[in-house]
This record gives sequence, structure tokens and C-alpha cells, in this order.
Amino acid sequence: ETGVTQSPTHLIKTRGQQVTLRCSSQSGHNTVSWYQQALGQGPQFIFQYYREEENGRGNFPPRFSGLQFPNYSSELNVNALELDDSALYLCASSPGGQETQYFGPGTRLLVL
Amino acid sequence: GENVEQHPSTLSVQEGDSAVIKCTYSDSASNYFPWYKQELGKRPQLIIDIRSNVGEKKDQRIAVTLNKTAKHFSLHITETQPEDSAVYFCAATDNSGTYKYIFGTGTRLKVLA
Repeated sequence: ETGVTQSPTHLIKTRGQQVTLRCSSQSGHNTVSWYQQALGQGPQFIFQYYREEENGRGNFPPRFSGLQFPNYSSELNVNALELDDSALYLCASSPGGQETQYFGPGTRLLVL
Repeated sequence: GENVEQHPSTLSVQEGDSAVIKCTYSDSASNYFPWYKQELGKRPQLIIDIRSNVGEKKDQRIAVTLNKTAKHFSLHITETQPEDSAVYFCAATDNSGTYKYIFGTGTRLKVLA
């Protein structure tokens, strides 16, 4: 069984640019959640995808958007990057209807 | 809004001693409470969880207790070892269908050999 994977591991962007982060869910999991973890803080919920539809969103602006594909992998897109977007972005997958989420290793984004 | 408070922010214990981390949640609809361990540069790993219909759960040296009335839950680690050193996060969620996690701010545990 393959765990949750994310790519890339690290990324450096400049203010105003756009970024796409990718997540492959654990085998058999149809739900993917995305979190932003600033340095020294707990992860904050961005949104969740279930069977290719957004299924809940946290307090993040519309420039944070996502997709889920038929194979349940997912993308997080961030437009018009700001310095405060620098963080570790974690995705977590879970089987539909179950609470337990399994996290990927994260993508560390630095915005200069 | 929904909130989870976690204390202490740092905790140092001698090897072999016990460690206790406490969390308080605000949403009375929360009914699932996982605990994650995050080592430096690594992914959060689930170490134990508890559902609201249970008051206590134990797995070897790790236990979690839940007081629904007071909206408190705690992580207990006994016989601590140096490899227990990490940042621990509590979280709360509900069964609204989203299962979004509200995380605490984390506790950095140092086990001194």
C-alpha cells in the first residue's frame, strides 16, 4: 500500500507568481484535504475534496483553489502569491466517510 | 469560530518520566480527536485518537482522555524515551461531512537522556 505523496518537496517563488502543488492520495482513499502550516504553528484547513467536488473550505481567499482528479489525486493552486503564503503545505487523504486523515510529507513553499 | 487551545507550548522531561499535554476545544459538536506527532522536517503521524463516545483510550505507553462536559482532552505518555522528542499536535473535528481538523498550536516535547 502506497502512502500519501506530494510534489515538489520544496519551491521558491516570487511575490505575484502562481504555484501548483500536487498530492497523490493513499490507495483506496477518495478524500483529500489541504492544510497550510506556518512555521511554529499548527496546520490550518484550506479545503477538502471528495469525489472531485469541493467539500468544505476554511478561511482562505479565493486565490487558493484546487482540483481533484478521477484517480483522487489533487492539486492546490495559489495565485498572486504573497510573502505570507510562505509555509509548509500538507495534504491528507482519508477513506470517504471516515475521520482519520493520513498526511503527506508536505511541500515547503518560500515566497520572496 | 472554532478553536483548539493546547498547553504547554514546550515541555521538557527526564527520560522515564511521564508527559501530559492538554487541549481544550470550543465546538461542542466535535466528536473525533486525533493526536499527531511531527518530527523535524517530517509529516505529521497519527499516534492515537479518541471518539466522543469513549472517555479513555490506551495504546502501550500512550493514552488519551476526553472530558466532553469540560471540552478537554489530554495526551499522556508514560516512560518517555528520547525518541519521543517531537512536536505534538491535538486536533478536533466534527461529523458535518467535511471532517476538517482544527489543530492546536503544538507542544514541543524534549525528553532529556
